[in-house]
Amino acid sequence: QSVLTQPPSVSGAPGQRVTISCTGTSSNTGAGYDVNWYQQLPGTAPKLLIYGATNRPSGVPDRFSGSKSGTSASLAITGLQAEDEADYYCQSYDISLSGVVFGGGTKLTVL
Amino acid sequence: QVQLQESGPGLVKPSETLSLTCTVSGGAITGYYCSWIRQPPGKGLEWIGYIYDTGNTNYNPSLKSRVTISVDTSKNQFSLKLSSVTAADTAVYYCARGRAGIGYWGQGTLVTVSS
Repeated sequence: QSVLTQPPSVSGAPGQRVTISCTGTSSNTGAGYDVNWYQQLPGTAPKLLIYGATNRPSGVPDRFSGSKSGTSASLAITGLQAEDEADYYCQSYDISLSGVVFGGGTKLTVL
Repeated sequence: QVQLQESGPGLVKPSETLSLTCTVSGGAITGYYCSWIRQPPGKGLEWIGYIYDTGNTNYNPSLKSRVTISVDTSKNQFSLKLSSVTAADTAVYYCARGRAGIGYWGQGTLVTVSS
């Protein structure tokens, strides 16, 4: 059971828009700690996609965007492409656990 | 370009200590959170701990009694020791460096715990 809750899977057709939610508590996302998102392509290391809930590192396409409200954060992917098929993880810090926490991950399938 | 590379044994016997080293090239480790993160086969990411400011550490409470992370700034390396391992510690172990988000990751190394 992960501290941050993500849906196990989402899917969409090429060109569509999908969102992935990440729900935390008042001890992590609701306490004002940053939410970061990672993309993990099969067989590779995770890659930072969004930091500070809404910021994209250099090189990340603007098809990827993040938002946060209260204890929840979301990752949106527009113009879905086959290459977006991957696992996506949210991450934050939890003051009760005094440590970094990850969501359980969401598998994105491009139909 | 910052690169991280894990090194260490791929096979560890139960009850022994897992030891891995992360070598960072193309960038500093001081001033950054240098983390170890693992991923059991087919499962999600689990944070093990990090070291920052050349000596301050923070560990996952569930692993704290068995984990030590240290740094060697002269070699631009940081290391992980996990004691009393069991089969449940079998995973791909990643070293990573970050500040606002974990921006750089090693490729990961599979460590299997088996006799």
